[in-house]
Amino acid sequence: NAGVTQTPKFQVLKTGQSMTLQCAQDMNHEYMSWYRQDPGMGLRLIHYSVGAGITDQGEVPNGYNVSRSTTEDFPLRLLSAAPSQTSVYFCASRQTGGREQYFGPGTRLTVT
Amino acid sequence: QQQVKQSPQSLIVQKGGISIINCAYENTAFDYFPWYQQFPGKGPALLIAIRPDVSEKKEGRFTISFNKSAKQFSLHIMDSQPGDSATYFCAAVSDNFNKFYFGSGTKLNVKP
Repeated sequence: NAGVTQTPKFQVLKTGQSMTLQCAQDMNHEYMSWYRQDPGMGLRLIHYSVGAGITDQGEVPNGYNVSRSTTEDFPLRLLSAAPSQTSVYFCASRQTGGREQYFGPGTRLTVT
Repeated sequence: QQQVKQSPQSLIVQKGGISIINCAYENTAFDYFPWYQQFPGKGPALLIAIRPDVSEKKEGRFTISFNKSAKQFSLHIMDSQPGDSATYFCAAVSDNFNKFYFGSGTKLNVKP
């Protein structure tokens, strides 16, 4: 099993550009989530999904869109990037009824 | 407003010493308290976790102490080793394990 994979590892965007951060898991986990990690702030939940077709907002959802068309994939979209979205983004998944979240390796995004 | 407050921000401990990291929360709806360990360039990984009906949980050199009335919990690392040098995050979980709130992190450096 590859676990949770994220692409790209690094990305530089200009203000106003759009992009999609990819996340996939091969563990058949129903629950998937996106976090951003900023110095001194820990990890903050952006959006999460409890299954295909079901998504909900976390702590800091503004500026980000998600959809979940398959169990395996949970992409995060930035429609118009802003410098405040410069961060490290982590995707995670969890088995339904389980408590342990498995994190991907992260995507480091810089918006200039 | 951060839901979980973590201290200290950084910690230097000699090899063989005890590392102690503290967290506090306000929301009594939280019902699961995990600790995560993160090495540079990697995603966080679950280290140990506790439910609020238990005051202490020990796994090897790692112990969580939980004080429900004070709404505080702490991680103790006994016989700290250089390999324990990492960033540690506490978290509090609610909403049927759908929402994880992380502390701001503690960077631990164990000196040989």
